[in-house]
Amino acid sequence: AQSVTQLDSHVSVSEGTPVLLRCNYSSSYSPSLFWYVQHPNKGLQLLLKYTSAATLVKGINGFEAEFKKSETSFHLTKPSAHMSDAAEYFCVVSARAAGNKLTFGGGTRVLVKP
Amino acid sequence: ETGVTQTPRHLVMGMTNKKSLKCEQHLGHNAMYWYKQSAKKPLELMFVYNFKEQTENNSVPSRFSPECPNSSHLFLHLHTLQPEDSALYLCASSQGRQENYEQYFGPGTRLTVT
Repeated sequence: AQSVTQLDSHVSVSEGTPVLLRCNYSSSYSPSLFWYVQHPNKGLQLLLKYTSAATLVKGINGFEAEFKKSETSFHLTKPSAHMSDAAEYFCVVSARAAGNKLTFGGGTRVLVKP
Repeated sequence: ETGVTQTPRHLVMGMTNKKSLKCEQHLGHNAMYWYKQSAKKPLELMFVYNFKEQTENNSVPSRFSPECPNSSHLFLHLHTLQPEDSALYLCASSQGRQENYEQYFGPGTRLTVT
């Protein structure tokens, strides 16, 4: 079985300050991990993915995430928030032995204050 | 058109109506998916098609009937829905069913059942 826990349902940051979105996963197998973003009234867009290569993964729009196996974490960061980063973010896990299904976290809604 | 498109974007239907949602992907992918996104709940996988064959049905009620005539098109036929079926229905596609293949999502159809 696999599961994902996003530790914060809401995060509020000021424009220009760092963003940290926390994600812990549970998987009995070597997982692939993804972060997706969903802007209002839009579908989900892939930010980045980890597939057992480098543990620090760089994505689009200045986001990056670090895979830490010992902590079963895959936290998403950005050094400087922009107003356009206001959206909902989903951490996702997938593993071959779990049928390659994507298991989604509950989402973290990010508010960016001017 | 590029990516994954969905029509209609919004749909209001009565419980006795029959309607269909359409999804088209322009990415040359082989796998397509239907998801349901309800408020305050994680994304729920409904159906999976791989090379036009249904490979997963996650205990979805029979009032939802999928159809995949070819690898580029996916339909969701709706009949005798309930108010609790009101949600955002997302279509996605991926190159294949391996665990490291990311999924590309359409913008969704916002369904309201009255």
